Amino acid sequence: NAGVTQTPKFQVLKTGQSMTLQCAQDMNHEYMSWYRQDPGMGLRLIHYSVGAGITDQGEVPNGYNVSRSTTEDFPLRLLSAAPSQTSVYFCARSDRRPYEQYFGPGTRLTVT
Amino acid sequence: AQSVSQHNHHVILSEAASLELGCNYSYGGTVNLFWYVQYPGQHLQLLLKYFSGDPLVKGIKGFEAEFIKSKFSFNLRKPSVQWSDTAEYFCAVMGNTDKLIFGTGTRLQVFP
Repeated sequence: NAGVTQTPKFQVLKTGQSMTLQCAQDMNHEYMSWYRQDPGMGLRLIHYSVGAGITDQGEVPNGYNVSRSTTEDFPLRLLSAAPSQTSVYFCARSDRRPYEQYFGPGTRLTVT
Repeated sequence: AQSVSQHNHHVILSEAASLELGCNYSYGGTVNLFWYVQYPGQHLQLLLKYFSGDPLVKGIKGFEAEFIKSKFSFNLRKPSVQWSDTAEYFCAVMGNTDKLIFGTGTRLQVFP
């Protein structure tokens, strides 16, 4: 699993519900990121973090929040789920620039 | 802002055919370039990378890519594909920001 654990593997939400996708790494790497993968659109960066306490927005941050209180964990929060957030979500880690990424197994989210 | 274009969305080849997948990026400064592969049902893994030096880089499973700065390109090649190369291939670029931006991907199908 490239040292990245994602939970849950599958999730179904109703519109308006909130939830947190969990991501944890056991390599003590500084850099972590969240992507969503949609057919025909590749992977799009949602949020990333270069270290504990530091986060920044990626290409598609709207509707998602992140925090990085520890090096190990980088949860992704959906505040009010929408059908447009139906996707496969990948978390990744990297130890230093230029950030060769190691991806987790993904979370498949369906919002109805 | 940096961006990546992959012009081939779907490529179908017979085993032993040669492969070239196009990747063009848009960024005026120093870049770090990557090709990732996603086999069916699996998460992304690194195929090869270019940071600096020799513009012809070799990766796993017989893949190689050439960085041509004047053309802003980083095309992926393999002289003879196998059925097991059936996968989706993603080009990615990181410039001076800490954002790794992916292309939309190329789906490769190899028939025996």
